[in-house]
Amino acid sequence: GQNIDQPTEMTATEGAIVQINCTYQTSGFNGLFWYQQHAGEAPTFLSYNVLDGLEEKGRFSSFLSRSKGYSYLLLKELQMKDSASYLCAVPKGLSGGYNKLIFGAGTRLAVHP
Amino acid sequence: EPEVTQTPSHQVTQMGQEVILRCVPISNHLYFYWYRQILGQKVEFLVSFYNNEISEKSEIFDDQFSVERPDGSNFTLKIRSTKLEDSAMYFCASSESGRNTGELFFGEGSRLTVL
Repeated sequence: GQNIDQPTEMTATEGAIVQINCTYQTSGFNGLFWYQQHAGEAPTFLSYNVLDGLEEKGRFSSFLSRSKGYSYLLLKELQMKDSASYLCAVPKGLSGGYNKLIFGAGTRLAVHP
Repeated sequence: EPEVTQTPSHQVTQMGQEVILRCVPISNHLYFYWYRQILGQKVEFLVSFYNNEISEKSEIFDDQFSVERPDGSNFTLKIRSTKLEDSAMYFCASSESGRNTGELFFGEGSRLTVL
């Protein structure tokens, strides 16, 4: 089955850098997603990694190590609007696909001035 | 920018009543999903739907739940006889691809409160 662990809460200062870690255990690996979820809103896609290494997208970067079952999301130049939950998720689908995402509990990030 | 829309945004119902939550997926998407999130808990998969049939469902999606695509644009989730524990935010999602690498686009959610 799938098991995903991420810290429950983190705090950081506006303008700083923060790294949110995620460890996972899966039976079969089809990549790893990061989603952002503001309180009371829908998750929105941030990144998808299927190969080892760092993928950079503006202020946000995501890293994957398949051998370690480990990913992190790196947020640079933090802004107040980055205060949200960050959800690590892995797909578990039928052999033909279909997007059944298994989500972690999320890391609630609070950015303060 | 195309988006997934859901109605109602909030519904309050009595235990035992039937509820229908509606979704309009992104128009060129072929794969549709329902997820739910109980307050303070993780987002959980309920069901995926493709080509007018359920492709996968979770243990949560029991006989009280059903999904339907009644026309070319709507995708509905019906809960036949609501229970207190059905209180949650229900998210509809759609994707262009059914591959596990495809991005999901979520709607804003329908908050269901069962009294």
